[in-house]
Amino acid sequence: GAVVSQHPSRVICKSGTSVKIECRSLDFQATTMFWYRQFPKQSLMLMATSNEGSKATYEQGVEKDKFLINHASLTLSTLTVTSAHPEDSSFYICSANPRDTGRDTQYFGPGTRLTVL
Amino acid sequence: RKEVEQDPGPFNVPEGATVAFNCTYSNSASQSFFWYRQDCRKEPKLLMSVYSSGNEDGRFTAQLNRASQYISLLIRDSKLSDSATYLCVVTARAFSGGSYIPTFGRGTSLIVHP
Repeated sequence: GAVVSQHPSRVICKSGTSVKIECRSLDFQATTMFWYRQFPKQSLMLMATSNEGSKATYEQGVEKDKFLINHASLTLSTLTVTSAHPEDSSFYICSANPRDTGRDTQYFGPGTRLTVL
Repeated sequence: RKEVEQDPGPFNVPEGATVAFNCTYSNSASQSFFWYRQDCRKEPKLLMSVYSSGNEDGRFTAQLNRASQYISLLIRDSKLSDSATYLCVVTARAFSGGSYIPTFGRGTSLIVHP
């Protein structure tokens, strides 16, 4: 099956620093990847749609200048949380849909747990 | 009204029981439907796609009712290992020609006890 990796799996940082999270599709190409955030005991919230070679599309209420997304290739998207604050502590998950399959099945990365002190 | 709604539960059932979850969606233009399973502090994993004709995979059966805009998941002969949160996912285009955007329900918690 399709495999998506994320790095790092866990990060602890000080308030005010920036954190970069990578999402890679290992055995397929994805023109579109999605970034989600999940707070404890809450549902996955879509943050943005990452489009290869173009700007990301952000959901309402998500600051594009705070959550920088770069989708430089068909197998890699990065999310940078700039000037992180404790309220940004969350579980960040990416997903990707293999292109040219005609299906919308999403394959998820294992997630990155961010803790901002 | 939320786009995708699920009863959060928890559904607390004994081993061997049959349990069913429903999920309703508001966008009549929705294209694809899925059930995912999420274990505590893990990423969601695809359980099964849902088709209009219904589909079955072992103890799991999924149904789609487009007219009433809901999907269902039936689990027979529940196992302890079935304990998890089950997420309903619906995809639809944000605009004509755009990508299909997945929308998640908040999940239904299932607890199977001995």
